[in-house]
Amino acid sequence: DTAVSQTPKYLVTQMGNDKSIKCEQNLGHDTMYWYKQDSKKFLKIMFSYNNKELIINETVPNRFSPKSPDKAHLNLHINSLELGDSAVYFCASSQDAGENTGELFFGEGSRLTVL
Amino acid sequence: AQKITQTQPGMFVQEKEAVTLDCTYDTSDPSYGLFWYKQPSSGEMIFLIYQGSYDQQNATEGRYSLNFQKARKSANLVISASQLGDSAMYFCAMREHQSNFGNEKLTFGTGTRLTIIP
Repeated sequence: DTAVSQTPKYLVTQMGNDKSIKCEQNLGHDTMYWYKQDSKKFLKIMFSYNNKELIINETVPNRFSPKSPDKAHLNLHINSLELGDSAVYFCASSQDAGENTGELFFGEGSRLTVL
Repeated sequence: AQKITQTQPGMFVQEKEAVTLDCTYDTSDPSYGLFWYKQPSSGEMIFLIYQGSYDQQNATEGRYSLNFQKARKSANLVISASQLGDSAMYFCAMREHQSNFGNEKLTFGTGTRLTIIP
């Protein structure tokens, strides 16, 4: 059973199109994230949701719209795709740190290529 | 200012040798957590080890240990008896204490690409 699963794994599309990436976690975690990994492997947080509520929005263009229908799902919709959006997008989840480490559990990543 | 600094973009190490990957961090928060993740060429992010700021002892997990020097704000990863399968990108990350849930993001360093030579 995959703990954090995201689909699709690969996405190739034309500039200007709209696309979505879906993410689901079966760990019962309260918080989910989207991270972007660029071509230089730098990982940067985009969004976090806690129990369906948006908590972090790290100056991401508003072409990116996350949606969390429930605490087990966090989807990412991207409008008007640009060349610079090409990257690997990672979904992750964590239990609220408290007495936990707050370790992130990552999905396998979705490689987006914009042509 | 960078919160997490990894100064070694790449390292080459002979198989079976020990290797130390450097990580320094910057925070004024007394409560924080430090993490190391491995990313092999297949792309997945694998959690390796965690160190809490209040932990008295250095964390260890099998062949991985974290050399935590709080006064120097460093959290180096030590891999003993390296294996060919250790070849990967390694990321250091920090979680600072936050007052509200969901805001406890991990901030990552730029990574070190480790290559183990047979």
